[in-house]
Amino acid sequence: ETGVTQTPRHLVMGMTNKKSLKCEQHLGHNAMYWYKQSAKKPLELMFVYNFKEQTENNSVPSRFSPECPNSSHLFLHLHTLQPEDSALYLCASSQGTAPYEQYFGPGTRLTVT
Amino acid sequence: GESVGLHLPTLSVQEGDNSIINCAYSNSASDYFIWYKQESGKGPQFIIDIRSNMDKRQGQRVTVLLNKTVKHLSLQIAATQPGDSAVYFCAEEYGNKLVFGAGTILRVKS
Repeated sequence: ETGVTQTPRHLVMGMTNKKSLKCEQHLGHNAMYWYKQSAKKPLELMFVYNFKEQTENNSVPSRFSPECPNSSHLFLHLHTLQPEDSALYLCASSQGTAPYEQYFGPGTRLTVT
Repeated sequence: GESVGLHLPTLSVQEGDNSIINCAYSNSASDYFIWYKQESGKGPQFIIDIRSNMDKRQGQRVTVLLNKTVKHLSLQIAATQPGDSAVYFCAEEYGNKLVFGAGTILRVKS
């Protein structure tokens, strides 16, 4: 295991629901990331947090709202999603923001109905 | 081979043979490169990295080659095993971010 855990592993939600994804890293890292992985597309960076401060928002729609209460935990709050938001959402962490190897969690498979 | 942003190619190799997975990166100013392996149902797993001041780096059964002249990166896997079957991604560090390629599917035939 990589030391990065994500819950839930699978999530099905309607377009009017509100849900949250959780990520926790046990590596003592300072930076955490959210990525979106869609079929046959490169990983898309969504958000970056460094020492709990958001340092990157890669033009992500406001229906995705990140929260980083401390360097070990990262949340992605979801509301009024669209079917095209269905994807694998990956969390990662690294010692610093760059250029360091990032450790990924197993992902949350999200399906929006 | 693979280029950042294009469709997903597939490489099929016989068990025991060597595999070579290619990647073309886009930014000549990138100075850090990394290969990940992603098995079905799992997140990407670090394999090996290389900095731009090196041409070659070896790990356990894997070698990464960097050709900065043509902006090309390759991953060589020696004596490929069934457990090597996965999607392999290259990524370049540019602007303090990792920019990922779409991936190459490696299938190992027994």
